[in-house]
Amino acid sequence: QSALTQPPSVSGSPGQSVTVSCTGTGSDVGGYKYVSWFQQHPGKAPKLIIFDVNRRPSGVPDRLSGAKSGNTASLTISGLQFEDEATYYCCSYAGAYTYVLFGGGTKVTVL
Amino acid sequence: EVLLVESGGGLVQPGGSVRLSCVASGLTISSHGMSWVRQAPGKGLEWVSAISYNGGSTYYAEAVKGRLITSRDNSKNTLYLQMDSLGVEDTAIYYCATGGWMGIFSYEYMDVWGQGTPVTVS
Repeated sequence: QSALTQPPSVSGSPGQSVTVSCTGTGSDVGGYKYVSWFQQHPGKAPKLIIFDVNRRPSGVPDRLSGAKSGNTASLTISGLQFEDEATYYCCSYAGAYTYVLFGGGTKVTVL
Repeated sequence: EVLLVESGGGLVQPGGSVRLSCVASGLTISSHGMSWVRQAPGKGLEWVSAISYNGGSTYYAEAVKGRLITSRDNSKNTLYLQMDSLGVEDTAIYYCATGGWMGIFSYEYMDVWGQGTPVTVS
């Protein structure tokens, strides 16, 4: 099965908001509430920043938020900061056969 | 401090085999499903495999079925990935992570990651 679809890149100025989309199908994003997002800085391991579509692990700032509508999930970063510059990956449970799918990743650039 | 430390990566010839290990400290993996995720050079994340908390169930991405085997030894707090019949397309950093498994009650998320171990098939 193909990866979830994310835009390759988005950018914004400090203080602005950016939104990263993640489009799947009814067999993954649309079919389950098990959507998560990961932040990855260059040379580092991924870090879980959103789970269950819109919940944040302890320590993740509330400037980061998640949502889902139909087969598309989204990550919004409000009050963009330079430390937010990273690649963001969505991830969804995809059922008993495909199991887990990642998106292709979106590089967020802070101008 | 909770840590996952992968090892065993390196240079492997096409058609060869390698066994990766992931040792946990600061947490007991016997209560967690575990996963392997890989990242080819300059590419995105790709889920590879998951295993239930007791090793009774394993799950694989289509691209690796029949060539990779995930196992665990909870007495050693260690996860393994046996990789056989390797091809150049398997070149990647391999991460282990807790979760990535549909648990008994709910999906468990990949919330603790190791630093990764590189495998180069050439």
